[in-house]
This record gives sequence, C-alpha cells and structure tokens, in this order.
Amino acid sequence: GAGVSQSPRYKVAKRGQDVALRCDPISGHVSLFWYQQALGQGPEFLTYFQNEAQLDKSGLPSDRFFAERPEGSVSTLKIQRTQQEDSAVYLCASSPPGPYGYTFGSGTRLTVV
Amino acid sequence: GENVEQHPSTLSVQEGDSAVIKCTYSDSASNYFPWYKQELGKGPQLIIDIRSNVGEKKDQRIAVTLNKTAKHFSLHITETQPEDSAVYFCAATTTSGTYKYIFGTGTRLKVLA
Repeated sequence: GAGVSQSPRYKVAKRGQDVALRCDPISGHVSLFWYQQALGQGPEFLTYFQNEAQLDKSGLPSDRFFAERPEGSVSTLKIQRTQQEDSAVYLCASSPPGPYGYTFGSGTRLTVV
Repeated sequence: GENVEQHPSTLSVQEGDSAVIKCTYSDSASNYFPWYKQELGKGPQLIIDIRSNVGEKKDQRIAVTLNKTAKHFSLHITETQPEDSAVYFCAATTTSGTYKYIFGTGTRLKVLA
C-alpha cells in the first residue's frame, strides 16, 4: 500500500485482557519499528525488526509485551494482561534499510479501563 | 542515557511570522536528525531531516540547522500559515546499530490568523 496501515485505530480493553495490534508496513520496507506515545509526550522506542529478525527489543516495558514479524512483512504487537499504564498510542513505522526517514502509521489508541 | 531536550513546549506566532524550535541531544554519536509534524489523531509525518556532515538544509519555508560542537539543532519555519499549526518533534539517532530514534517532548505550534 501507499502508507503504513495500523489496525484497529482504537481499542478499549478491560484491565487484564490481552490485546493484539497489527501493522502493515510499506511494501518492500525492510525495517519495522514500534513506538509507544503517551499523551502529550514524544514517541518512545519499543522494538525494531529487520525483515523477520527482531534485532532490538530493549524498549519493551515488561515481559507482558511481545512483538513478532514472522514473514518479514506484517507485524503484531501483543500485550498480555493489560494494565492502566499501558494506555497510550502505539505507533508503527517502516523504512528501507537504514535509519533515514521512517514513515509512521496513524497509530492504535489503546485505552485500558 | 540518551536524551533529547526540546524547547519551547508551546509557541504561538502570528500568521506570516517565523517560528523557531530548538533541540539539544546528549549522545555525541548521533548523526541523523529528523523533524516530524504531528496533527491531531494522526501519526508523525517527516518534514525535513539533516545529517551530521551538513550544517544547514532548506526546503521551501522550512530549514534546519545543526551545530555538532554544541549538540544543538533547530527548525525554522518562515512565513507561517494556519496549516502549520501542529505538534513538532525533533529526534536524533545514529546510522549504526538499530536506528532507534530518541524523540524530544514536542512543541505545540499555533499560528494565529
């Protein structure tokens, strides 16, 4: 597609539920990133994939967060046993090889009640 | 750890005036500096970037300057228009490793008609 597509756009989860957020990167983009953006803050790095390999997961806040990209295209960010502090916008970005000029999706706004 | 400070947090200018947003980074290995514009409910959109081997870059009404010695970089918007109103984020990264961006905390720009 022409841009990075994320779904769902909005997700409300009860505390303790598991959620899965999907990212469809730009076709052919090797690099894929997940960021978390709290209200009024800048995005914070969660994890990075190069093709199907997860090369950096240093930003994942806890072992409740898990990301995968099994075929090197679509990626899923899963959050288990959601907590209120997980409420944020989750942004996905993709780029050709290298750090230059990520393209971000519109994000998934997760609200945990 | 790595940090990017951004000022001011809010900025109001009259239409047609210039706006300047400043960022400071801590990691001397940083060598790529993108700027993103984020409108309400949307993902960040890349508007301009600069690499460390360049001191200034311009694209129509937008320019970015970089002072590597002082670890400062700035965004300049001239002849501001109401559609420039948005939140602007600076970021810094290195072109080695996992390319994660460290974002500033954002500047909310309001252009008053």
